[in-house]
Formats: sequence, C-alpha cells, structure tokens
Amino acid sequence: GQSLEQPSEVTAVEGAIVQINCTYQTSGFYGLSWYQQHDGGAPTFLSYNALDGLEETGRFSSFLSRSDSYGYLLLQELQMKDSASYFCAVRVDQTGANNLFFGTGTRLTVIP
Amino acid sequence: DGGITQSPKYLFRKEGQNVTLSCEQNLNHDAMYWYRQDPGQGLRLIYYSQIVNDFQKGDIAEGYSVSREKKESFPLTVTSAQKNPTAFYLCASSMGNNSPLHFGNGTRLTVT
Repeated sequence: GQSLEQPSEVTAVEGAIVQINCTYQTSGFYGLSWYQQHDGGAPTFLSYNALDGLEETGRFSSFLSRSDSYGYLLLQELQMKDSASYFCAVRVDQTGANNLFFGTGTRLTVIP
Repeated sequence: DGGITQSPKYLFRKEGQNVTLSCEQNLNHDAMYWYRQDPGQGLRLIYYSQIVNDFQKGDIAEGYSVSREKKESFPLTVTSAQKNPTAFYLCASSMGNNSPLHFGNGTRLTVT
C-alpha cells in the first residue's frame, strides 16, 4: 500500500518560519509535489522535487531526500494569508499521466 | 482567462439517483483527472484521462463513470452504486506527465 505521513496541524506566528514534513512509503516514486488549499477552495501547486535537494520559490522552499523517503515544505516570513491546508503528493506511476497520491494534509494556522 | 470550470458548485440529490458533475477546461491540456476529498482527508483519485476517448481507473473508481469525448470536457457520473457519494469533488488538468495539476473550484455533492 501507499502512505504519506504529515502532521495534521501546525500553528505559527506571523513573520516566523515553519517547516511541514512529509514522509512517504510508496510502491514507486517519481517526484514529490506540494499543494496549498484554502478552506473550500481549489488546491494550487506550490513546488515539485524530483531530485534530492532544495528548491526555492520566493518565500516557499521544498526539500527532498529520496534515500530517507522524506521531504519538507518551508514557509518563510509567514503571512496571515498563508493559513491554509498543505498537501504533499507523490507521483507513483511513471507510465500514466501525472497521477498523484496525496497525503491527508497539514492545516497551518498563522496567528498575529 | 484560461482555467477549469466545474458546475454546479453545490449539488443535492436523493439516494438512488445518478448525478453527473461537469468539468470543462480551456487550457488545452491533454490530461484530466477527478479527485474526491472527504472532510479532513487528502485527495483520492477516481479516474483520469490522458487523451480523448481514453480513460483509466484511479484508486476509488467503483460507483463512478466518466467519458472523454472532447479534449475540453471530462464529466463524472456518480452512480447509485457508489455507497458514500457525499463528498467534495475536484476536477484537474495537466499539460503532461510531470506538469502541475490545475484544479477547478470543486463541486460539493450531498446525497440524502
């Protein structure tokens, strides 16, 4: 079976840095993605790591270690609008389309 | 503006009735997907399609059916065989295998 583990909830202060971890056990691995979803809204793509290392996009960075089956999303200079759910997702099938297996999400609450 | 349109936003049906959820995209994407999201849960893949007139089952296809007669459209039918149809349904599309998913705003289906 497939499993992705991420914390269910995280709270952080505005202006701070927060790290959301994701560990995975999947039958295949062809990349780790992160998506943000505000309540009742559509998930939006944040980042993608296929190889080990750090990818930086503005205030957001994502890290992958394939040997540890582990990745994280780092959010810097937190803003109130960053309060949302964050999902890690693994592409497990190379032959298909970009089918992603999603974690259950981490609800981030940013407080003043 | 390019995007994915799901309609309606809210849908109510009686148990035992089939219902079809609409998904249209004008992004010229080849691949389209249907995901289901339950409260506090991640997204689970129902069906996906890489090209017109072809589609594949995802992890939870039982009780659902799809068609892909046009590149722009990928409707999902929730049949009476689906035992727990009440959920938030998200349609997505992507350009290719490793391209990010672009999601619609979802349809919240309630079956009583």
